[in-house]
Amino acid sequence: NAGVMQNPRHLVRRRGQEARLRCSPMKGHSHVYWYRQLPEEGLKFMVYLQKENIIDESGMPKERFSAEFPKEGPSILRIQQVVRGDSAAYFCASSREAYEQYFGPGTRLTVT
Amino acid sequence: AQKITQTQPGMFVQEKEAVTLDCTYDTSDQSYGLFWYKQPSSGEMIFLIYQGSYDEQNATEGRYSLNFQKARKSANLVISASQLGDSAMYFCAMTLDTGRRALTFGSGTRLQVQP
Repeated sequence: NAGVMQNPRHLVRRRGQEARLRCSPMKGHSHVYWYRQLPEEGLKFMVYLQKENIIDESGMPKERFSAEFPKEGPSILRIQQVVRGDSAAYFCASSREAYEQYFGPGTRLTVT
Repeated sequence: AQKITQTQPGMFVQEKEAVTLDCTYDTSDQSYGLFWYKQPSSGEMIFLIYQGSYDEQNATEGRYSLNFQKARKSANLVISASQLGDSAMYFCAMTLDTGRRALTFGSGTRLQVQP
């Protein structure tokens, strides 16, 4: 049973470009969460999605960030017009109905 | 809003000894879940243990146990018989039993196991 998959593992973007981060949840999991981790800090919640629905986006910046979890395919976190402050590790997690969230390996975004 | 506090930025422990990592939480909700995650230097987040607020017994998973003291709002992680591979960052987290299932994380404790 494969775990949560994230790709790419490392992503380098120049300021002003778009970054697309992908997350495939564990088999049987229909809940997806995105978190951001700045260096030497804990993870901060961004958004919680179920298939085709955003349930909670209270942690998402109001501009430039969007997320989707379509009926088919992975969840996508999109960052438009990236800035240096977007450099961070972005983690996706998935769960069934229960509490336990299982995390993917993360995508390390570097904005140059 | 809920809050998690980890007051130990770093801890050292000798191999084969036990160590306790502190975690206190703050919430006015009665129903919630508490978690511990391990983050080794490779960066992935590894789920260790879970405690529900209504669970009467402390959770245990192998060498990990959670010392849950509800009245004091603490959920300390105890690692018995430390191994060199336990060296990592450890994060305490919680979620409320509502439709909003976001995990709130503490700032973490860096554990170093010495031979």
